[in-house]
Amino acid sequence: DAKTTQPNSMESNEEEPVHLPCNHSTISGTDYIHWYRQLPSQGPEYVIHGLTSNVNNRMASLAIAEDRKSSTLILHRATLRDAAVYYCILRETSGSRLTFGEGTQLTVNP
Amino acid sequence: GAGVSQSPSNKVTEKGKDVELRCDPISGHTALYWYRQSLGQGLEFLIYFQGNSAPDKSGLPSDRFSAERTGGSVSTLTIQRTQQEDSAVYLCASSLVSGRGELFFGEGSRLTVL
Repeated sequence: DAKTTQPNSMESNEEEPVHLPCNHSTISGTDYIHWYRQLPSQGPEYVIHGLTSNVNNRMASLAIAEDRKSSTLILHRATLRDAAVYYCILRETSGSRLTFGEGTQLTVNP
Repeated sequence: GAGVSQSPSNKVTEKGKDVELRCDPISGHTALYWYRQSLGQGLEFLIYFQGNSAPDKSGLPSDRFSAERTGGSVSTLTIQRTQQEDSAVYLCASSLVSGRGELFFGEGSRLTVL
C-alpha cells in the first residue's frame, strides 16, 4: 500500500485557517485520498476524501495537487474542538489493508 | 444501533488468559478492519475482511491473534495467552464500499493485561 508523509505536529490559533499537508508521491491512479481525525480518547472519525478534484464538505476542504502527489486538508476556521491527530491515508478502489501513519497532531491555541 | 459497536469497552485480564473482542459493523458494510493502538501511538493494522474474500491477515503480530467474521457481519478478534504487551485499544472499522467509501470506527475496546 502506498505511503503518506505528514508533519508530526502543527499549531494554529483559534478562528484562523489551518492547512495540513500530506505527501503521497507513490500514489496510484486508483487510490482515493482520505482524511480522518482522532480526538483524545476517541476512535478516528472521517473528515473528507477525494480522487482528483478538490472537495468541500461541512467539516473541511481537500485540495489535491494536479499530479496527485500531495494534498492539503483545509480547516477554514479552527476551533478548540479541532485539536486532534489528523491522518491522511490512501484507499485503493478495489479495497485492501489500510495503513495509518503517525498523523499530524494539531494544537489550537485560544 | 446506527454506528459500529464494539464490546467490551474495557477488559482487564491476567497474563496468560484468552480474550475475545467483538465488533458489530454497520449493517450492509462489506469491508471490516481491526486496528490496535497502544498508548500514545498510531493505529497498527491487524486484519481486513472484504465480503466473502479471504481476509488479509498480514498485520496480525503473532499466531496468538486470530479473527473471524461470521455471515459477513459480526467479527470477533481473539487473543490467546495474553501478554502485557497486548495491552492497547483495539479499534474496529467498517465501510460500505472499498476505496470510495468512508470508514466508520467504533469507540474501541481497551484491553489491559496485568
